[in-house]
Amino acid sequence: EAGVAQSPRYKIIEKRQSVAFWCNPISGHATLYWYQQILGQGPKLLIQFQNNGVVDDSQLPKDRFSAERLKGVDSTLKIQPAKLEDSAVYLCASSNRDRQQETQYFGPGTRLLVL
Amino acid sequence: GESVGLHLPTLSVQEGDNSIINCAYSNSASDYFIWYKQESGKGPQFIIDIRSNMDKRQGQRVTVLLNKTVKHLSLQIAATQPGDSAVYFCAEKRTGTASKLTFGTGTRLQVTL
Repeated sequence: EAGVAQSPRYKIIEKRQSVAFWCNPISGHATLYWYQQILGQGPKLLIQFQNNGVVDDSQLPKDRFSAERLKGVDSTLKIQPAKLEDSAVYLCASSNRDRQQETQYFGPGTRLLVL
Repeated sequence: GESVGLHLPTLSVQEGDNSIINCAYSNSASDYFIWYKQESGKGPQFIIDIRSNMDKRQGQRVTVLLNKTVKHLSLQIAATQPGDSAVYFCAEKRTGTASKLTFGTGTRLQVTL
């Protein structure tokens, strides 16, 4: 079974620029998560989708961050405009809620550096 | 505030010895706990999980112990190998939060030869 795929793996931008990340979850997984992981810290949930609907986006900075999962499979996370403090690894994870399993499987992440 | 934290930021263990990584949580409503391993440049990898109705669960070379009385979780790794070197995170899910996980800061495990 293929794992969670993310791209790009690395991105360097200047502050106030825009950036987008892409995630393809494990096939059949209905739930998709985006996390932000700042260096030296644990991942922090930004947004959770169930199919193409948002379950939890309480920690998403909505003035600059947006995410979508239009067809209930792939997802994109966008930052516009980026700030220096957005430098972090952005992790995508998926889980199969239909089987009552709560284990989240993570992708390799996108490492973002904002200069 | 409510949090999941770890006692030791760095743990150094000799190859072949057993490792014990500890985690304290503060929310008694948490009903599910997971340990993840994260190697440099990679995403967190699932190791083992445990539900709050259990005290102990064993996997291959790993054991998770849950003490709900003192809100403490530990991960034991038997016969630690160099490939076990990584950062280990505990995460908790609180009852009724639709699978939302709260992660601790992490403990770095260094295996020495």
